[in-house]
Amino acid sequence: EAGVTQFPSHSVIEKGQTVTLRCDPISGHDNLYWYRRVMGKEIKFLLHFVKESKQDESGMPNNRFLAERTGGTYSTLKVQPAELEDSGVYFCASSQPLGGQGLSETGELFFGEGSRLTVL
Amino acid sequence: AQSVTQLDSQVPVFEEAPVELRCNYSSSVSVYLFWYVQYPNQGLQLLLKYLSGSTLVKGINGFEAEFNKSQTSFHLRKPSVHISDTAEYFCAVSLGGFQGAQKLVFGQGTRLTINP
Repeated sequence: EAGVTQFPSHSVIEKGQTVTLRCDPISGHDNLYWYRRVMGKEIKFLLHFVKESKQDESGMPNNRFLAERTGGTYSTLKVQPAELEDSGVYFCASSQPLGGQGLSETGELFFGEGSRLTVL
Repeated sequence: AQSVTQLDSQVPVFEEAPVELRCNYSSSVSVYLFWYVQYPNQGLQLLLKYLSGSTLVKGINGFEAEFNKSQTSFHLRKPSVHISDTAEYFCAVSLGGFQGAQKLVFGQGTRLTINP
């Protein structure tokens, strides 16, 4: 079974440009999360989708960030325009719906390898 | 609000030595506790978790952690480390509850380096 996949693995852009990060969750996982780690600091929650709906977007830093999840499958995170402080690693995670078997009920998140964003 | 403190940013140890990675949390309510590991060029992987019950939790790769409610700690231990344990380790908490342990608050991470 394929894990959570993220694209691109690394993106280098100039300040003011736009970048779109993509996440493909594990098939059948309704819950999808975005997290970010900036400058070696702690990993921070950005937002949570349940299928195509935003359940919690309290961690989104500002309106330059736009997340979508069309049809409840893959998700994109767009940064427009990018600023220097947006540099970091963006992680995507997914989990099974509530009421699933085993570990899914305990909220285990399966993480992707992350997309490293460098803004120059 | 919850917060997590990993007291050591870097821990160097010799191969086959024991190791303890420290984690303290603050929360006014009951939490779920997790340790994740990130090997070089890989994503985060769940090592172990505490939800309820026995305070000593065993995870993968010979790691274990003990939940201490009075000290609000969840330290990670391994009695004998291997070169392959070189990675960054993250402690995390979540509120859990009916909606599940879905939204994690992470510590700053501890980089474990194993020397031969």
